[in-house]
Amino acid sequence: QIQLQQSGTELVKPASSVKISCKASGYAFTSNYIHWIRQQPGNGLEWIGWIYPGNGNTKYNQKFDGKATLTADKSSSTAYMQLSSLTSEDSAVYFCAGSYGYGGWFAYWGQGTLVTVSS
Amino acid sequence: DTVLTQSPALAVSPGERVTISCRASESVSTLMHWYQQKPGQQPKLLIYKASNLASGVPARFSGSGSGTDFTFTIDPVEADDIATYYCQQSWNSPRTFGGGTKVELK
Repeated sequence: QIQLQQSGTELVKPASSVKISCKASGYAFTSNYIHWIRQQPGNGLEWIGWIYPGNGNTKYNQKFDGKATLTADKSSSTAYMQLSSLTSEDSAVYFCAGSYGYGGWFAYWGQGTLVTVSS
Repeated sequence: DTVLTQSPALAVSPGERVTISCRASESVSTLMHWYQQKPGQQPKLLIYKASNLASGVPARFSGSGSGTDFTFTIDPVEADDIATYYCQQSWNSPRTFGGGTKVELK
């Protein structure tokens, strides 16, 4: 079955960067979009952007331009999101999710990665 | 950005019918989707393209609407349905979510 397995909890210092991963299995990694979504404590969901692993194309929510960088490694079927210049506002759970097409819905989700920014 | 406004928290009893509304600030055609999120878990897709039931989702969940007004229904509600429900649109960029509707037991 389709699965997205995310990397574990991160505790990072302000002004640093963090890179979290999302390993896909059970489908053709290069054929579907991988999206990243943020959920701040007690808050709702925000879409960060997507990457299409087949050609590496990306699209970002303007709010996260310069904050998030999405990449994908076809050889390991793994998508990555790097977050830079971290502040306490970046403390959140980050989910990866897959869609079957550009206009698609988030059909399957990773379990989430908690990032805590603290000195 | 397209703002999605959901009805506030609801308190229900098992066996009742619950309806959640989602209003978009501009048309999203039928590209409105619904998710269920339980505490400490990832969201789960329930309805896609306004009215289509996702694979494996019980038929007591349903959705309707187009343009700017959408409705999500659980009939009948079961105790396991206690969760927060989010609408999400993928017609306009950036994709946006509603603020969530928390369904609680009376």
